[in-house]
Amino acid sequence: GESVGLHLPTLSVQEGDNSIINCAYSNSASDYFIWYKQESGKGPQFIIDIRSNMDKRQGQRVTVLLNKTVKHLSLQIAATQPGDSAVYFCAETGKTGANNLFFGTGTRLTVIP
Amino acid sequence: NAGVTQTPKFQVLKTGQSMTLQCAQDMNHEYMSWYRQDPGMGLRLIHYSVGAGITDQGEVPNGYNVSRSTTEDFPLRLLSAAPSQTSVYFCASSYGGGGEDTEAFFGQGTRLTVV
Repeated sequence: GESVGLHLPTLSVQEGDNSIINCAYSNSASDYFIWYKQESGKGPQFIIDIRSNMDKRQGQRVTVLLNKTVKHLSLQIAATQPGDSAVYFCAETGKTGANNLFFGTGTRLTVIP
Repeated sequence: NAGVTQTPKFQVLKTGQSMTLQCAQDMNHEYMSWYRQDPGMGLRLIHYSVGAGITDQGEVPNGYNVSRSTTEDFPLRLLSAAPSQTSVYFCASSYGGGGEDTEAFFGQGTRLTVV
């Protein structure tokens, strides 16, 4: 079956440093991946996505890297700010339903001022 | 533009009671879905709908019913609440059927406790 998981449950970084959050997936047929940010008491918020035919995609201060060979996904946040403190989830849609998301367990990012 | 609105935000039920969690979106999205989030876990799909009149089961559908009579509304019904259904419930909607159109917008969540 499909599974999406994260290597590290928590990550602490100094303000201004870069953050890297990792994610592994098991379904080689997955074709679309998304990163979500969830702040305390709120619903997940879309950050960035990437299709399986891409290796890298950049947004504002964020970059997603996809390594299909080892089925690994990462989210890089540049110049991490206190407002970046949250739980980050990777999700994939696979083939079971275009908008049905399979989430990993999440990584809690804490930014130290 | 309100996005996805869930009500109530908090609810306490006794075992065996039934209730309906409401979800409404004003973005004219065809796709809507319900997820539950348990402590230390990611979200898991309960039920989803690809359009009015069409619903299907997700990963964890047991104990829940849904209907989709309009594009805007997608209520989730707990038939006979059990302590195992204590969780935070999120409703989501999205526009398209895949690719970049799959970006899902989430509501603020309903925190449900079953005692």
